Amino acid sequence: NAGVTQTPKFQVLKTGQSMTLQCAQDMNHEYMSWYRQDPGMGLRLIHYSVGAGITDQGEVPNGYNVSRSTTEDFPLRLLSAAPSQTSVYFCASRYDQGKNTEAFFGQGTRLTVV
Amino acid sequence: GENVEQHPSTLSVQEGDSAVIKCTYSDSASNYFPWYKQELGKGPQLIIDIRSNVGEKKDQRIAVTLNKTAKHFSLHITETQPEDSAVYFCAAKTSGTYKYIFGTGTRLKVLA
Repeated sequence: NAGVTQTPKFQVLKTGQSMTLQCAQDMNHEYMSWYRQDPGMGLRLIHYSVGAGITDQGEVPNGYNVSRSTTEDFPLRLLSAAPSQTSVYFCASRYDQGKNTEAFFGQGTRLTVV
Repeated sequence: GENVEQHPSTLSVQEGDSAVIKCTYSDSASNYFPWYKQELGKGPQLIIDIRSNVGEKKDQRIAVTLNKTAKHFSLHITETQPEDSAVYFCAAKTSGTYKYIFGTGTRLKVLA
């Protein structure tokens, strides 16, 4: 049981480049989400999905796109990278929309935009 | 909007002493309060949680208390050990919603 798998672990991008951060979970969780972690600011929600074909914005969605074509995968796309997107990104998944269940996090992707 | 404040941002304790981290939430409809531990280079992991119908919950050396009237909840770690050194995050979730609102984190250092 792999849990939540994120790739890559590290990435350096030039300003203006695009890329996709991958996230996959093998626990058949309905709910998946992307967070960014910045010093002193905790974990801020970028986008989330309550099931295949359904996505919604979190508190910091600008500059990012997501899609959810399958239950397992929830990729995060940076359309045109900016230095302000330098951060550590975490994907998380859990059971049951709206219910109080444990969120499982991936190991994170450290992104640097130069 | 919803907000969770967490204090302190850093905390140093001697091995064997207790550590307390406090969070305050703004949405009175919040009903689930998990605590996550993040070790260096890893993703956060759930260590304990509490629901709004309970005032206190313990699991070995860790405990969480909830004061719904004051909208406060706290993490207590007793007999701290070096392996407790990590960043701890509190969070709050409102019934019927999908999102967790996280605090800004506390870096705990346990000094041997």
